[in-house]
Amino acid sequence: QVSLKESGPALVKPTQTLTLTCTFSGFSLRTGGTCVSWIRQPPGRALEWLAYIDWADNKYYNTSLNSRLTISKDAAETQVVFTMTDMVPEDTATYYCARTYMSTPYFDSWGQGTPVTVSS
Amino acid sequence: IVLTQSPATLSVSPGERVTLSCRASQSVRSDLAWYQQRPGQAPRLLISGASTRATGVPARFSGSGSGTEFTLTISSLQSEDFALYYCQQYTLWPSFGPGTKVDSK
Repeated sequence: QVSLKESGPALVKPTQTLTLTCTFSGFSLRTGGTCVSWIRQPPGRALEWLAYIDWADNKYYNTSLNSRLTISKDAAETQVVFTMTDMVPEDTATYYCARTYMSTPYFDSWGQGTPVTVSS
Repeated sequence: IVLTQSPATLSVSPGERVTLSCRASQSVRSDLAWYQQRPGQAPRLLISGASTRATGVPARFSGSGSGTEFTLTISSLQSEDFALYYCQQYTLWPSFGPGTKVDSK
């Protein structure tokens, strides 16, 4: 059974760096074509894709946020870590990780999401 | 690629047929997915490839279209279908539409 779960701080201050972890099971990031993505949803607003990392450790970022984002996976390849620098209040959102595939990048399994508030 | 969805809100009664629209600013071939998001929950994949139901999705959900015009149809709305519905294209970098809220009349 595929499962993903996000973890990280609920509150960050402006200018700080947000670090979130996605812990997953039921699939392998070593399998060709498999990717893990990060997506966010500000309160009452639509979804926004942020980044994904693939089985070969290639990384892809939303170009509008590219300079602020980093995605990586741990050595055991059971976790994906996402960082966003220079946080501002407009980055307040629920952040989701999700599984996708390089050949068809829709998102077939999602974590429950973790809410992040940016406030001093 | 910009996706627009219409209507923004649809007020319906259980048992009604519901049709939601998604339009792309340029052709996305059939690289379009639909998601359902209930309040307080993560999105759930309903449709990929414009018309292929995901595993476990009831047959009352169907998708159609290609190019720039897409439709999600719920043949007979059930109470658990009151939710937000998003389309997403994946021809280029993934992008989502603004969503359609289906609520109770």
